[in-house]
Amino acid sequence: DGGITQSPKYLFRKEGQNVTLSCEQNLNHDAMYWYRQDPGQGLRLIYYSQIVNDFQKGDIAEGYSVSREKKESFPLTVTSAQKNPTAFYLCASRWRETQYFGPGTRLLVL
Amino acid sequence: GQQVMQIPQYQHVQEGEDFTTYCNSSTTLSNIQWYKQRPGGHPVFLIQLVKSGEVKKQKRLTFQFGEAKKNSSLHITATQTTDVGTYFCAGNSGGSNYKLTFGKGTLLTVNP
Repeated sequence: DGGITQSPKYLFRKEGQNVTLSCEQNLNHDAMYWYRQDPGQGLRLIYYSQIVNDFQKGDIAEGYSVSREKKESFPLTVTSAQKNPTAFYLCASRWRETQYFGPGTRLLVL
Repeated sequence: GQQVMQIPQYQHVQEGEDFTTYCNSSTTLSNIQWYKQRPGGHPVFLIQLVKSGEVKKQKRLTFQFGEAKKNSSLHITATQTTDVGTYFCAGNSGGSNYKLTFGKGTLLTVNP
């Protein structure tokens, strides 16, 4: 079954803790993206990667970090430096010009 | 940087009524895409428009790209309850770093 998986679906963390969100794809896509979605704010780009071992900052990269050691995987770490980390996080991969989204992870920081 | 404005933010209609959402970019776009996100779900690609003045149809959905390639619209004829969700436009200004700038979306609710 091909697609993009994100785990977990819901994640709870205490303030001040780093947390890593998983994103895996078996679509053989080179490009992958991380977005943050807040109510009424649409999707904002955090980081993106066009190819393995390379990634670029998006519009709201502060307080986040990523790695792209394998084509299939693009994990996102939400660090304690992120002021307001509670949000819905969406990972996507791209084939040609179409982006395919995973089911998302809802992060709640208490 | 590039901005994409989308209106209205919310639209509530009676089943059978038409619906339109509008998207306007601060810069000329290479192409524009539309996505639909069902409540509790993730965005799903609907269509891409590339050419100036392009019009595409998918059953009851009609998508238009403006002549200046800075605005776009999505029109749904005779809405159904299955149309409920948030519709996003996403603009690409071109270049080697392929990034989409999303509008804030229009949440459509349909009263049966």
